[in-house]
Amino acid sequence: AQKITQTQPGMFVQEKEAVTLDCTYDTSDPSYGLFWYKQPSSGEMIFLIYQGSYDQQNATEGRYSLNFQKARKSANLVISASQLGDSAMYFCAMRGNSGGSNYKLTFGKGTLLTVNP
Amino acid sequence: DAMVIQNPRYQVTQFGKPVTLSCSQTLNHNVMYWYQQKSSQAPKLLFHYYDKDFNNEADTPDNFQSRRPNTSFCFLDIRSPGLGDAAMYLCATSRERLAGGDNEQFFGPGTRLTVL
Repeated sequence: AQKITQTQPGMFVQEKEAVTLDCTYDTSDPSYGLFWYKQPSSGEMIFLIYQGSYDQQNATEGRYSLNFQKARKSANLVISASQLGDSAMYFCAMRGNSGGSNYKLTFGKGTLLTVNP
Repeated sequence: DAMVIQNPRYQVTQFGKPVTLSCSQTLNHNVMYWYQQKSSQAPKLLFHYYDKDFNNEADTPDNFQSRRPNTSFCFLDIRSPGLGDAAMYLCATSRERLAGGDNEQFFGPGTRLTVL
């Protein structure tokens, strides 16, 4: 079984500063993918970044980067230069690559990020 | 430019009255998913279609059904909504089922269902 843990129910950050959102995972799959999604109050889930378990380098997408530490089973999201529009719920998710779970995203409970002006 | 469209955005129904939520996509993706997200919780997968092949999650109640008449459209039918079915319903698509950075799930804006 796969499990995603996000231990920060809420985070606050000042505009223009960087913030790290924590995510740890557990899986028995040797190959897997890790995703981060952003969900504003409007409800839409917006894909931010992906990290494959065999990727040699940490993923980056603009102001988003993923601090992937495989041995520690963590996949923290780093947002640099926070903007007011970054205020949203952030979900970490995982998908295994084997057997019957290769389609299914397992989500964490989310972290509500508030960016203060 | 909307790629995954859900209608309506807000739906109010009465206890026990059947309701249908719709999802359409312009991405020509093979896979379409329905998630239920209750307040302050993570999305929970109800079922998905791979092309015309329907795949139900083991813990999805029988009260929830789905139809996919063609590649572009997928419907969620709730036969007898209860108060516990009030939630946001998210539709998502992906090109294929396998994991991969170029195969992420694209979500629609969701339909918020209220049951009176």
